[in-house]
Amino acid sequence: DAKTTQPTSMDCAEGRAANLPCNHSTISGNEYVYWYRQIHSQGPQYIIHGLKNNETNEMASLIITEDRKSSTLILPHATLRDTAVYYCIFVSNFGNEKLTFGTGTRLTIIP
Amino acid sequence: DGGITQSPKYLFRKEGQNVTLSCEQNLNHDAMYWYRQDPGQGLRLIYYSQIVNDFQKGDIAEGYSVSREKKESFPLTVTSAQKNPTAFYLCASRAGLRELFFGEGSRLTVL
Repeated sequence: DAKTTQPTSMDCAEGRAANLPCNHSTISGNEYVYWYRQIHSQGPQYIIHGLKNNETNEMASLIITEDRKSSTLILPHATLRDTAVYYCIFVSNFGNEKLTFGTGTRLTIIP
Repeated sequence: DGGITQSPKYLFRKEGQNVTLSCEQNLNHDAMYWYRQDPGQGLRLIYYSQIVNDFQKGDIAEGYSVSREKKESFPLTVTSAQKNPTAFYLCASRAGLRELFFGEGSRLTVL
């Protein structure tokens, strides 16, 4: 199974951009990078995903390196409500697979 | 509104008792998943089902059982064989290759 590596925790000042890295050196060509976040004691929430190109939606931006071995989730103007655990996972385009999560990055937004 | 519902939200059980956690979705999703989360830890996959009447073990299936008799339902039974059942349990569903939708979770405490 492909594995991701994320820092255990990060802090970011409110109003600044939060940049969360994810290393996925074993990712294969048919695997997407997905990001989710989990606010304390709630179900995780989907944020964004991508394959090769950078992606942006109303929540965040996703930057994927050209070799696809790492990616960065960017929350452009972090607010206190962005304090959560952020997970980066792989998903292939075959669909019939188990989806596993690591321990994620605990992001704390500092007022 | 479409969504995924877990019940009960909180559950207490005596040692040696089996308990069943409910997961219902009205999103018409084919795939459903059960995860376990311990305090300060990531999500670990218990079981998943890609289609009605079929399911596969995840990484920590021992002491758990599931059924998938209907597309919208994927109940999880925590049996007495599960040595450390106290945890937060999350159910999720997915349509094809799209993102996971999570329920709000069920917190099981063994007394």
